[in-house]
Amino acid sequence: KNQVEQSPQSLIILEGKNCTLQCNYTVSPFSNLRWYKQDTGRGPVSLTIMTFSENTKSNGRYTATLDADTKQSSLHITASQLSDSASYICVVSAGFQKLVFGTGTRLLVSP
Amino acid sequence: GAVVSQHPSRVICKSGTSVKIECRSLDFQATTMFWYRQFPKKSLMLMATSNEGSKATYEQGVEKDKFLINHASLTLSTLTVTSAHPEDSSFYICSAMGQIYHMNTEAFFGQGTRLTVV
Repeated sequence: KNQVEQSPQSLIILEGKNCTLQCNYTVSPFSNLRWYKQDTGRGPVSLTIMTFSENTKSNGRYTATLDADTKQSSLHITASQLSDSASYICVVSAGFQKLVFGTGTRLLVSP
Repeated sequence: GAVVSQHPSRVICKSGTSVKIECRSLDFQATTMFWYRQFPKKSLMLMATSNEGSKATYEQGVEKDKFLINHASLTLSTLTVTSAHPEDSSFYICSAMGQIYHMNTEAFFGQGTRLTVV
């Protein structure tokens, strides 16, 4: 069964600190892995998308890594800001038109 | 980046009435659109996949007669919640996938629609 698991479920950090979110997946066939940021009451917004051959990809203060051998990905946020408070969703594409969603990590950045 | 516009963002309706939600791809042709439902503090749950010009494919457990999906053009898909009940109250999100230069596997999401049935 295709599954995407994320940890932690929720996280509270102080503004300015770094944090790392984890994503483990068992998805076949694997096409790509995406990280989305979803603000409360809004649709998800793409942060990064990585294919099988990519190990790391950055988007500003967001850096995603992918280990296709262990089927793990991480999203690292540096110098967190209050606006980073949101849910972060890991999504794995299992072939054409098939997206498997993780349950998300709810991040709260406190002042 | 590509933009997907979803309308309305919020709607309140009475039980028994029908509500239509629109999803438009503004700067690309979406060959495939997806409709999701999201419960509080939960991840997105796929309801159906629609391809332009053909009938939607519904996920198991989703009533196709209750959630009518129309994808009549490459830029517009609609979800109609028929005979709405309070248990249909939820956050509905669409996403569109299409060939955008080299990003042919990218999926862009609408802003979501908060439906409240009273």
